[in-house]
Amino acid sequence: SAVISQKPSRDICQRGTSLTIQCQVDSQVTMMFWYRQQPGQSLTLIATANQGSEATYESGFVIDKFPISRPNLTFSTLTVSNMSPEDSSIYLCSVEGRLAAGETQYFGPGTRLLVL
Amino acid sequence: KNQVEQSPQSLIILEGKNCTLQCNYTVSPFSNLRWYKQDTGRGPVSLTIMTFSENTKSNGRYTATLDADTKQSSLHITASQLSDSASYICVVTFKAAGNKLTFGGGTRVLVKP
Repeated sequence: SAVISQKPSRDICQRGTSLTIQCQVDSQVTMMFWYRQQPGQSLTLIATANQGSEATYESGFVIDKFPISRPNLTFSTLTVSNMSPEDSSIYLCSVEGRLAAGETQYFGPGTRLLVL
Repeated sequence: KNQVEQSPQSLIILEGKNCTLQCNYTVSPFSNLRWYKQDTGRGPVSLTIMTFSENTKSNGRYTATLDADTKQSSLHITASQLSDSASYICVVTFKAAGNKLTFGGGTRVLVKP
């Protein structure tokens, strides 16, 4: 299984500022994803982080608001730009991996963000 | 639109008892169906993964079943423990959606002593 770490684990930010979240994986992976989980809700895919090219964003998410970097096969960052209280969520990094039973996704521990 | 619906939304059970969580999904060929456990403040952890041809999959005290005809899956927790208190999320990978994950809303389970 893949071991995924995220930094920071939590943060409290002021409206209008930006926060960059880091995701580090202990092995090289092809697919990396960023999710948002708003309070009491399930996970929503923000984008797929592509190594060496621009991220692929889901409907409702744009690069100006959530710029993503993927410099190599073990690391990615997600920036939440010009934050508002509505951005208060848990942000999760995940990677595609393979188990004996088939492919699955491993999730990082998440970054809990509170915007005041 | 592919959807994954879970029931109940929340559940309270006594320690040592069994419980069953339900997951229904809409019509679409799918690649696999997964159950995840998410502790409060943590990322989801995979419990089971099943392809459309599998009927059941176990992981310790967790047993998942799948009925592709009725498009239903269930997760059965046997002899619940306090550490089973968490949200359980059903996730389906639909081929028509480019194999992207579609998440159910989750069932929040609280195990009381």
